[in-house]
This record gives sequence, C-alpha cells and structure tokens, in this order.
Amino acid sequence: DAGVTQSPTHLIKTRGQQVTLRCSPKSGHDTVSWYQQALGQGPQFIFQYYEEEERQRGNFPDRFSGHQFPNYSSELNVNALLLGDSALYLCASSVLGGVYQETQYFGPGTRLLVL
Amino acid sequence: AQSVTQLDSQVPVFEEAPVELRCNYSSSVSVYLFWYVQYPNQGLQLLLKYLSGSTLVESINGFEAEFNKSQTSFHLRKPSVHISDTAEYFCAVRSSRGRLTFGEGTQLTVNP
Repeated sequence: DAGVTQSPTHLIKTRGQQVTLRCSPKSGHDTVSWYQQALGQGPQFIFQYYEEEERQRGNFPDRFSGHQFPNYSSELNVNALLLGDSALYLCASSVLGGVYQETQYFGPGTRLLVL
Repeated sequence: AQSVTQLDSQVPVFEEAPVELRCNYSSSVSVYLFWYVQYPNQGLQLLLKYLSGSTLVESINGFEAEFNKSQTSFHLRKPSVHISDTAEYFCAVRSSRGRLTFGEGTQLTVNP
C-alpha cells in the first residue's frame, strides 16, 4: 500500500516566479492538507481540500492556492515567490468523517528554495 | 484557538537512559493529540495518538504518552532510548475540523 507521495522532492526558484507542488494521497484517503515547515520550526497549516473544495484555510496570503482533482490528488500553487517562502512543504492525507478516521499521514515533503 | 508548547527545544541523553519530552496544549474543545517524529531530510511519521479512551497510549517502538486533562499535558516518554531514536519530535493538537497545530519541536539526541 503506497503512502503519501509528493513531487518534486527539491525545487529551486527565483523571487517572483510561480511554483506548483503535487501530492498523491494514501490509498482510500479523500482529504488532503498542506503545511509549510520553515527551517527549525514546526509545520504551519496552509489549507485543506475535500471533494475538490477548499474546506478550511490557515493564515496564508492569497498567493497560496490549491486544487484537488477527482482522484483526490492535490496541487499547491504559490505565485510571486518571496525569499520567505523557502521551506519544506508537507502534504498530509486523511479520511474525512469520524474521530478515528481523521488521522493525518504525511508525505516526504518538497523542499523549496527561493533565491 | 488551539496552541501547543513544547517545553524543551533540545534534549540530549545517553543511550539506554530514560527520556521525557514535554508537551502542553491549549484547547477549548474536545482534544485530539498526536506525536510525530521527523528524521533528517524526511517528512513526519505518526508515532502515537490520543483520540479517546485510555489516557495512556503506546507506540510499537516503545514510546508512550499520557493524556492529562487537568494539567493539559501530553508528555512523551521512553524508558530506554537507542541511538536510532535521534530525531525531531513534534507534538500536535487537532481541531474538530481537522487542522493540526504543531509545537516548535524537540530535538532528541541520543549519545553513545
């Protein structure tokens, strides 16, 4: 059973560019959450997708947007990149509904460096 | 709003010694608590979770955590650590809508 997968593993961009990160959830999972982990810090919640809709959002600007596809995979898009966007971006998948089901399992992350 | 405080940013211990990583949380609603572990250059791995029921939860590799509602704590313990336990450990609380709020992490370093 494949776990959560993310691509690419590493990415280097320059300020002002746009980036798209991808995530495939664990088999049987229908909900995808995205987190940003800056160096030396805990992950910060960006947003969560379910049934192709953004279900809730953390304190991130509109430059951060996402999408979920019918097969439950998801993309995170960041426009007008800033140096401060350099971080490890983590995707987590879960099953919506019920206390016992909503445990989030994380992928290996995409490390983004903005120069 | 929910928050998590991990009281120690770094914990160095010797191999085979016991360890406790401290976590306090703040939540006004039902509490769902998690410990995740992160090895260098990797994502987060679920270590253990408290959702309901017994306040003492255990992982398959010897860690345990106890949910203490009166002290709003969820400390992680292991009676005897190994070199391979060296990693960053994150405590997290989950909201009713599924958002995880993490602490800043505790770097556990096990020395020979």
